[in-house]
Amino acid sequence: TQLLEQSPQFLSIQEGENLTVYCNSSSVFSSLQWYRQEPGEGPVLLVTVVTGGEVKKLKRLTFQFGDARKDSSLHITAAQPGDTGLYLCAGRGSARQLTFGSGTQLTVLP
Amino acid sequence: KAGVTQTPRYLIKTRGQQVTLSCSPISGHRSVSWYQQTPGQGLQFLFEYFSETQRNKGNFPGRFSGRQFSNSRSEMNVSTLELGDSALYLCASSFEGQGGSEAFFGQGTRLTVV
Repeated sequence: TQLLEQSPQFLSIQEGENLTVYCNSSSVFSSLQWYRQEPGEGPVLLVTVVTGGEVKKLKRLTFQFGDARKDSSLHITAAQPGDTGLYLCAGRGSARQLTFGSGTQLTVLP
Repeated sequence: KAGVTQTPRYLIKTRGQQVTLSCSPISGHRSVSWYQQTPGQGLQFLFEYFSETQRNKGNFPGRFSGRQFSNSRSEMNVSTLELGDSALYLCASSFEGQGGSEAFFGQGTRLTVV
């Protein structure tokens, strides 16, 4: 069974601060996806990383896939209240199904 | 291009009843996966269907079942509902369901069992 550990579980910061969310596993994934979910809605795909060492930027969000494709990070620069939500990482492994991390609940206070 | 559509959005059922949830994937997507999301357990994989065949199955009791039709639409059924089945049920579709394919989620069906 492939497991993804996501940290921190909860994060509350002030507007303008930077933050990093981590997603770690002992398993190798062929790809890793990051989602953001708002209450009562389905997760919305933010980015997919496929290549070890890959870095992708989406405005103030920077995503990195570890060289060994076992871990990933999401860095948000100058967080805004609109960034508030549940951030989920999900890895696709050998069984093709997506394994989800437990999520990071981010609250950005104005 | 229309996204993943799940119906109904909200459902209230009584213990012991059964329920059927529906998911229409993005046009052209043949893989449909179902997940249960609860505050305590997070997102847990139920099963995946590809071309009308169940390809993967999570660790849920036999009360949870599903199927996929020739047009890729999928349904999941939960029989003999228990209070613990209250959750947000999410459906995701992928183009192929293989490594590297992105999964797109519907808005979910909020099931409440009373």
